[in-house]
Amino acid sequence: SQKIEQNSEALNIQEGKTATLTCNYTNYSPAYLQWYRQDPGRGPVFLLLIRENEKEKRKERLKVTFDTTLKQSLFHITASQPADSATYLCALVYQAGTALIFGKGTTLSVSS
Amino acid sequence: DAGVIQSPRHEVTEMGQEVTLRCKPISGHDYLFWYRQTMMRGLELLIYFNNNVPIDDSGMPEDRFSAKMPNASFSTLKIQPSEPRDSAVYFCASSAYTGTGVTGELFFGEGSRLTVL
Repeated sequence: SQKIEQNSEALNIQEGKTATLTCNYTNYSPAYLQWYRQDPGRGPVFLLLIRENEKEKRKERLKVTFDTTLKQSLFHITASQPADSATYLCALVYQAGTALIFGKGTTLSVSS
Repeated sequence: DAGVIQSPRHEVTEMGQEVTLRCKPISGHDYLFWYRQTMMRGLELLIYFNNNVPIDDSGMPEDRFSAKMPNASFSTLKIQPSEPRDSAVYFCASSAYTGTGVTGELFFGEGSRLTVL
């Protein structure tokens, strides 16, 4: 069955550094994936979508890469700020349907 | 638009009681999803609808769970009878058909936190 793994449950970094989060998947070949941010007590919020042929996508301080050979996506936040502290979730389309399945997320803490 | 609206935000009930969670998707969205989130299992897809029709309910854990979407602006998730292991945050999300074969971004509600004693 499809499996999505995000590298660690928690990541602690200092303000100004680059945060790198990893999403690995197995038994699957998604055409695209999405990244979401979730704050405590809130629903996830969409950040970025990247297609298999895009390799890299940027949005302000965010950058996402997609390596279909390694079956891995990397999510980078440059010049991190305490306000970036949240849980970040990656998501893949479920089989041939249109629903997304999510990884468990990585909780990022940025200290000042 | 007000976004996806869920109710109740919090529900505490006793084992064996019926629980009904409600969702109003964003107007014009074609897809509606129900997810459940726990610390142990993360965000799990329970069921989703396209144009009010259930497409995949393979994530519904047991027959105690049922979901309906009687019209484009309303959906319910019902648990009967409820059990302590059903305690979780239940999210509803909606998205629009993109016409490109790519699932549009999901817009989530704030969730319904269910505690079954």
